[in-house]
Amino acid sequence: AQKITQTQPGMFVQEKEAVTLDCTYDTSDQSYGLFWYKQPSSGEMIFLIYQGSYDEQNATEGRYSLNFQKARKSANLVISASQLGDSAMYFCAMRGENRDDKIIFGKGTRLHILP
Amino acid sequence: NAGVTQTPKFRILKIGQSMTLQCTQDMNHNYMYWYRQDPGMGLKLIYYSVGAGITDKGEVPNGYNVSRSTTEDFPLRLELAAPSQTSVYFCASTLSGGNNEQFFGPGTRLTVL
Repeated sequence: AQKITQTQPGMFVQEKEAVTLDCTYDTSDQSYGLFWYKQPSSGEMIFLIYQGSYDEQNATEGRYSLNFQKARKSANLVISASQLGDSAMYFCAMRGENRDDKIIFGKGTRLHILP
Repeated sequence: NAGVTQTPKFRILKIGQSMTLQCTQDMNHNYMYWYRQDPGMGLKLIYYSVGAGITDKGEVPNGYNVSRSTTEDFPLRLELAAPSQTSVYFCASTLSGGNNEQFFGPGTRLTVL
């Protein structure tokens, strides 16, 4: 069975600092995909970044990067130069090997950016 | 494209009532999903569908039913609503496979009293 673990329920970070949100996963699949989503207080789900298990390089999207350590089964999200608008819930998610497999989510980390 | 649309946005039900949450996508995605999000929690998968006529249970299917008669629509049916079903319900869709992101609807906030 697949499992996503986010161990930080809440984080407080000073504006302009970098922040790392932790995500570990458990799967027996050889091929899988990892996603990060942002959920602001308005409630919508916003896709941030994707990492495939066979991708050799860490994914980057603007200020977001994914620190993928396959052997440790971790897929941490790094936000550089944090902004007040980054305050939100962040969810790590995983899709398994089968193309019709479900996508499961972690419990999330609430990030607070302090001015 | 409207993306993923959900109706209603808000609903209050009495215990034992039934209702259908509507979800429609206009992106010709074959995969569709229903999640629930309890306060302060992550998303739990209720049901999903890999194409018209095909549905499968997720993590928390009890108390819900789905159907997928067309590619566009994936309604979620609540029979005999219970207070434990008070939650925000999200519908999502994606193209099959790989790195295709899920597109989410705006959510339906349901309260069962």
